[in-house]
Amino acid sequence: AQSVTQLDSHVSVSEGTPVLLRCNYSSSYSPSLFWYVQHPNKGLQLLLKYTSAATLVKGINGFEAEFKKSETSFHLTKPSAHMSDAAEYFCVVTGGNNFNKFYFGSGTKLNVKP
Amino acid sequence: GAGVSQSPSNKVTEKGKDVELRCDPISGHTALYWYRQRLGQGLEFLIYFQGNSAPDKSGLPSDRFSAERTGESVSTLTIQRTQQEDSAVYLCASNGLGGRIYEQYFGPGTRLTVT
Repeated sequence: AQSVTQLDSHVSVSEGTPVLLRCNYSSSYSPSLFWYVQHPNKGLQLLLKYTSAATLVKGINGFEAEFKKSETSFHLTKPSAHMSDAAEYFCVVTGGNNFNKFYFGSGTKLNVKP
Repeated sequence: GAGVSQSPSNKVTEKGKDVELRCDPISGHTALYWYRQRLGQGLEFLIYFQGNSAPDKSGLPSDRFSAERTGESVSTLTIQRTQQEDSAVYLCASNGLGGRIYEQYFGPGTRLTVT
């Protein structure tokens, strides 16, 4: 079975400082992993995805995530936060027998202080 | 189509009434999903369709909830005898298939308020 744990429900950073949003997954199979972002009153948007190619994945808006199988992690990072990054971020896993079943984490709300 | 669309965008209904929520997926996408997002919470999987059939209905919270899809296109989520705890944003997503992992494309959601 697949599952996702987002370790922090809220993260607060100052503008210009690094962002780290943590995600750990559980999967009986080689997983595919995604990060989605949801800005207030807007729809979910894909940030990046890992599908068994390069373990360091680059996404939109300067975000990156690294797939670490030994740690079962897929943390999202960005070197320098912008005010516009304030949003909720969801880590998602799929894979195994049913590539169409997507498991969402509970989300991390990112607050960016000026 | 340009993207996943959902209607209505907002729905206010009285407790006990039935509601229908509609989702138009991206043209050609074979898989379609329904999720519920309560205020301040993450996404809760409800049901997904592969073509017109629903291999996984495990997320439907009660028998008041049902969904159908026709023509491998439009899907409707029906909630009968609505309760206040049904108040949430209902999100629809679609993606393609073919042995590859496709990301989901989300609609803007329907905000349901049960008074």
